[in-house]
Amino acid sequence: QSALTQPPSASGSPGQSVTISCTGTSGDIGDYNYVSWYQQHPGKAPKVLIYEVSKRPSGVPDRFSGSKSGNTASLTVSGLQAEDEADYYCIAYAVISTLYVFGTGTKVTVL
Amino acid sequence: QVQLQQSGPGLVKPSETLSLTCAISGDSVSSNSVTWNWIRQSPSRGLEWLGRTYYRSTWYHTYAESVKSRVTIKSDTSKNQFSLHLDSVTPEDTAVYFCARVNLGTFDYWGQGTLVTVSS
Repeated sequence: QSALTQPPSASGSPGQSVTISCTGTSGDIGDYNYVSWYQQHPGKAPKVLIYEVSKRPSGVPDRFSGSKSGNTASLTVSGLQAEDEADYYCIAYAVISTLYVFGTGTKVTVL
Repeated sequence: QVQLQQSGPGLVKPSETLSLTCAISGDSVSSNSVTWNWIRQSPSRGLEWLGRTYYRSTWYHTYAESVKSRVTIKSDTSKNQFSLHLDSVTPEDTAVYFCARVNLGTFDYWGQGTLVTVSS
């Protein structure tokens, strides 16, 4: 199972919005709503921001939102803050071959 | 609050077995609603799911095709923990290894990560 495709980098000024795409196939993102998004700061474990495409765990600011269209999922970070500078990954459920496929990761820089 | 605490050596010799343990607090390894997983992360391979163990009246194990011939995940109910064993390691297995709980397709709790270097 190939990795999910994300842009290597994204950036925005404080207060702006940035949207990260995650492109898969009909065997993963296209077929299931088990798409989640994670934030990872250097040297730390990933932290879940969005699950089941668009749901937010308690404690995650509503500045983070998720959506899906066809084989592509998206994460939008609104009102960028300095602490949002991190790597972001998507994960999707894929029943064929390997159960979970991971995104290639996007480094978000707050200018 | 669920917490996962990883332990194990940070250096393994080529051809030997990499073994890591993940101790669970705040949940049970024999929970019948979640699964317990191992993931690794390296600059060359990115994030890679390795496998999982879970209990649904009996124990099940599922492994990624890429490591299926070399990996074993075990559960220990007496210590409420699970472990990863990866045989015949090579320098390509050098990575940060994470354990994680998966609940309804979401990796909701993670261990702190262990950097394992394969080198003689």
